[in-house]
Amino acid sequence: SQQGEEDPQALSIQEGENATMNCSYKTSINNLQWYRQNSGRGLVHLILIRSNEREKHSGRLRVTLDTSKKSSSLLITASRAADTASYFCATDARSNTGKLIFGQGTTLQVKP
Amino acid sequence: NAGVTQTPKFQVLKTGQSMTLQCAQDMNHEYMSWYRQDPGMGLRLIHYSVGAGITDQGEVPNGYNVSRSTTEDFPLRLLSAAPSQTSVYFCASRTGQGFTSPLHFGNGTRLTVT
Repeated sequence: SQQGEEDPQALSIQEGENATMNCSYKTSINNLQWYRQNSGRGLVHLILIRSNEREKHSGRLRVTLDTSKKSSSLLITASRAADTASYFCATDARSNTGKLIFGQGTTLQVKP
Repeated sequence: NAGVTQTPKFQVLKTGQSMTLQCAQDMNHEYMSWYRQDPGMGLRLIHYSVGAGITDQGEVPNGYNVSRSTTEDFPLRLLSAAPSQTSVYFCASRTGQGFTSPLHFGNGTRLTVT
């Protein structure tokens, strides 16, 4: 079964609003990563947060990690139409086998 | 650098046919992997490799074979295609140092099995 579960499955907002996506996982992890996928393309890495970090920023992205709740959130501030994409979380298990397991993703639509 | 290159981009197979999906990377990455993406299922790991000569199973390995004879190449073989293998397949690679590096993805192979 997949490691990550994402919520919501779909999100529609207006340009300029903030978008928040959540990811829950099952086992202890080394790190958690977020990726974006534009329609018909491969995934692109956005940000990585280590298990000993609680929050990380990259431009308009803010990621939080709560290892006690086994959950993470991705916040996109001041969204743009170009942010329309699917967003996935992925986890590296503490067993450190190298496997990266993905969640089911959140589809974000930003309306101009 | 071309990054991760997948061929072909599209393929139609009949049930029972075999084929190989090609994946090559020019970044000298130790780790390579194959995922399939189906609607509503996200990405599921098929097989992965942490270096030449080493492969292991992911979440959904049945019906697929892999080998890793070189660092650059990681082909995925479908021995006898089934309609359930209709999907979009992604190859991805990353450096193996501490497994804290991001994955680099190819643009995918869209496979239809009739």
